[in-house]
Amino acid sequence: AQSVSQHNHHVILSEAASLELGCNYSYGGTVNLFWYVQYPGQHLQLLLKYFSGDPLVKGIKGFEAEFIKSKFSFNLRKPSVQWSDTAEYFCAVSLTGGGNKLTFGTGTQLKVEL
Amino acid sequence: EPEVTQTPSHQVTQMGQEVILRCVPISNHLYFYWYRQILGQKVEFLVSFYNNEISEKSEIFDDQFSVERPDGSNFTLKIRSTKLEDSAMYFCASSVREWIEQFFGPGTRLTVL
Repeated sequence: AQSVSQHNHHVILSEAASLELGCNYSYGGTVNLFWYVQYPGQHLQLLLKYFSGDPLVKGIKGFEAEFIKSKFSFNLRKPSVQWSDTAEYFCAVSLTGGGNKLTFGTGTQLKVEL
Repeated sequence: EPEVTQTPSHQVTQMGQEVILRCVPISNHLYFYWYRQILGQKVEFLVSFYNNEISEKSEIFDDQFSVERPDGSNFTLKIRSTKLEDSAMYFCASSVREWIEQFFGPGTRLTVL
């Protein structure tokens, strides 16, 4: 069965620090990869997605992620975080041709301090 | 911007009671989903629905669960006889087609006493 691992459960950064959140998945087939964000009191929102093509994808609010197939990874990055980036971040995977379900990681709670 | 909506935002029920959670997916979307998140755990897939039938379901989605699209706009999740372990946040999602991003509603927090 497919699974998604997020290694950082809680991250605390100061404003302007760089961010990298790890995501690894276990499946050898063709995957679609997503990062969702949940701001306090709000619902899950799509941050960025990867289906095919350029492995470096850019999303909203200055976030980007890189798909490294050989490492089964899809890490999320932002060069300079802001206080407003405080949220929970979820990596998710679906399998092309394998149904539509999303398999989520456990989430990473990011707190950005002023 | 179109959004997925869910009602109620919070539902409290007694063990053994039936509950119906309601969702209104984005209007031009064709694929509908339910997920749940038990406190402190991962968001878990329950079921996907397309063309008025279940297209995939997880092991969690047993005979106590059912889904329905009773009209052109609503998508419901029914739990026939709730158990304490059904307490969770239930998220509805929709997508315009398969294998692309899903748009999530704000969730219904279900508390079973």
